[in-house]
Amino acid sequence: DAKTTQPPSMDCAEGRAANLPCNHSTISGNEYVYWYRQIHSQGPQYIIHGLKNNETNEMASLIITEDRKSSTLILPHATLRDTAVYYCIARGNTGKLIFGQGTTLQVKP
Amino acid sequence: NAGVMQNPRHLVRRRGQEARLRCSPMKGHSHVYWYRQLPEEGLKFMVYLQKENIIDESGMPKERFSAEFPKEGPSILRIQQVVRGDSAAYFCASSPTGLSGANVLTFGAGSRLTVL
Repeated sequence: DAKTTQPPSMDCAEGRAANLPCNHSTISGNEYVYWYRQIHSQGPQYIIHGLKNNETNEMASLIITEDRKSSTLILPHATLRDTAVYYCIARGNTGKLIFGQGTTLQVKP
Repeated sequence: NAGVMQNPRHLVRRRGQEARLRCSPMKGHSHVYWYRQLPEEGLKFMVYLQKENIIDESGMPKERFSAEFPKEGPSILRIQQVVRGDSAAYFCASSPTGLSGANVLTFGAGSRLTVL
């Protein structure tokens, strides 16, 4: 599965959109981009995933560039409860998810 | 719909004892994954199992650790002769099928092992 690169930390003001970038320049055609988050020491929580097209669900939007070498997770109206470590993962047909260091998002009042 | 159930949530063992961690996947899920998270570290893949089969154990320590997912019952992660370095949170995830990148893994709340 392709390696992903994320900034180690980001801040966001409460109520504003949080835009979390991810680079995956070596992603292959069958690899999906997944986003999970881990709040404190809880179990990882699935947010969203996509292959080529942009995706939106009740939690977030995922914007994937046309060349698929990078993506952005958008939390439209961040709240304090969105403070967490966010993981961007490229997942192919190996089945497993390989977690990197992620981005620690701090939402501030 | 019950999620992925892990028990015990907290387990305390003395050095040299055995630890058994159980994971019941979501209903309809036949694939299970185990991860370990050491204090202040990231999540590390350990093993991926399908019913009665180990698919990928590339992240399992070579000694003292074993995993199974029998035809009936939960998946078990077994740690023999625990040492203090085994103190960690162990997370289980399940998915309906395995090898397609489209299948979402759902995680449990984890089991926290403390070795005294």
